[in-house]
Amino acid sequence: GAGVSQSPSNKVTEKGKDVELRCDPISGHTALYWYRQRLGQGLEFLIYFQGNSAPDKSGLPSDRFSAERTGESVSTLTIQRTQQEDSAVYLCASSLGGPRAAYEQYFGPGTRLTVT
Amino acid sequence: AQKVTQAQTEISVVEKEDVTLDCVYETRDTTYYLFWYKQPPSGELVFLIRRNSFDEQNEISGRYSWNFQKSTSSFNFTITASQVVDSAVYFCALSEALTGANNLFFGTGTRLTVIP
Repeated sequence: GAGVSQSPSNKVTEKGKDVELRCDPISGHTALYWYRQRLGQGLEFLIYFQGNSAPDKSGLPSDRFSAERTGESVSTLTIQRTQQEDSAVYLCASSLGGPRAAYEQYFGPGTRLTVT
Repeated sequence: AQKVTQAQTEISVVEKEDVTLDCVYETRDTTYYLFWYKQPPSGELVFLIRRNSFDEQNEISGRYSWNFQKSTSSFNFTITASQVVDSAVYFCALSEALTGANNLFFGTGTRLTVIP
C-alpha cells in the first residue's frame, strides 16, 4: 500500500520568506508526527497530532513554526520568516493508535529545505 | 540530558564481518519502548524493531539480532555477516509511556560503512 508521502521533496527559499511543507500519512493512521533532521544529526521532534486531540507542540523551536492537520488526513508544517538555521530535512511520520501505544512510526522521504 | 546515546559516530567493516551498534538509553519510566531505524543513502527511515521494557528476550531476524539489557540500559544491535547493502545510518530511539509515548527521542545515529 501507499506509504507516507511528502511534498515538495526539495525547497529552496530566500531568508525571510514563508514556506509550507505537506505530509500525506498512511490511510488509517491516526497519529502524525513532524521531525527535523539537520545535516549529520539525529531527528528532533517538532509536533504530534493524534485524532481530534489537541496537538503536542512541545518540540516546536519558535513561534515561527506552526502545523495543522485536518482530522486524520493531510498535515501542513508552516515556517514563517525563514532563517538560515531552518535549513534541514523535515520528516513526517504516521502510526496507528494513540498515547501510550508506541506503535512503530512510518516515515516519509522528507522535504529538504534550504534557506539562502 | 541525552535520553539516547549512540557513542559510535562512524563504523567501517569489511563485508562478511559482524558488527555491533551500541545504544544506551536513560529514562525514569518503568514502561518504555525502544526502536531501531535504518536510514539508507536514499534518506527514508526504515523501521527495524520495537521492544517494550517488559520484554528482555533477545530477538533475531535473519542477520539482525538485538540484545536488550535493562541492567545496563542498553539495546545493542548486531549485524552478522555484513553486506554492502547494510551501509546506512542506524538510529536508536526511545519512547516513554509516562509522557504519553507521543514522540521518539532519537540518538545521533551511527554511520555504518561496509567495504566490499
